[in-house]
Amino acid sequence: EDQVTQSPEALRLQEGESSSLNCSYTVSGLRGLFWYRQDPGKGPEFLFTLYSAGEEKEKERLKATLTKKESFLHITAPKPEDSATYLCAVQAKSQGNLIFGKGTKLSVKP
Amino acid sequence: EPEVTQTPSHQVTQMGQEVILRCVPISNHLYFYWYRQILGQKVEFLVSFYNNEISEKSEIFDDQFSVERPDGSNFTLKIRSTKLEDSAMYFCASSSLGDSPLHFGNGTRLTVT
Repeated sequence: EDQVTQSPEALRLQEGESSSLNCSYTVSGLRGLFWYRQDPGKGPEFLFTLYSAGEEKEKERLKATLTKKESFLHITAPKPEDSATYLCAVQAKSQGNLIFGKGTKLSVKP
Repeated sequence: EPEVTQTPSHQVTQMGQEVILRCVPISNHLYFYWYRQILGQKVEFLVSFYNNEISEKSEIFDDQFSVERPDGSNFTLKIRSTKLEDSAMYFCASSSLGDSPLHFGNGTRLTVT
């Protein structure tokens, strides 16, 4: 069964304190792995797509990496505005829908 | 930047009533989706729609659910006879290609009483 597990469930950081979020997945043939950001009461906002092991993508303070079993979202010198829930989702080759993890709720304190 | 818009933002209905949730996907997108998120739980896939027909659906998407693209811009989700357990955020999404990133709307919060 295709599955996505994210850890930790919640993460509290001080402003400027770098860290990483983990997304472990099992899927019968990966078509793509997606990272989204979700603010309270809003829909998921697309951040990155990764397609193959070894691939990396960067956007401002965020960097996503991918291996055959997991993906990391590295946050460098976070700011309070980075506070949100970060969702990981996988798309299998055999189907088009996304399978989401539960997310990591990130809080960045000034 | 183009965005997916959903109406209403909040819908309250009584158990057994029919509701229609509306979405306007991004204009040049070809694939349309509905997902839902029960409070505190994962975002779950309901259905995908391409070329005027359902391309995939989950076990959640049973006979009480239906989707329609009544014109060139709107995409709707109908729940025929709502149950308490249908209370959730319902998100519409669209993508340009089948493996392109999905772009989500801000959701309709459905409350069934």
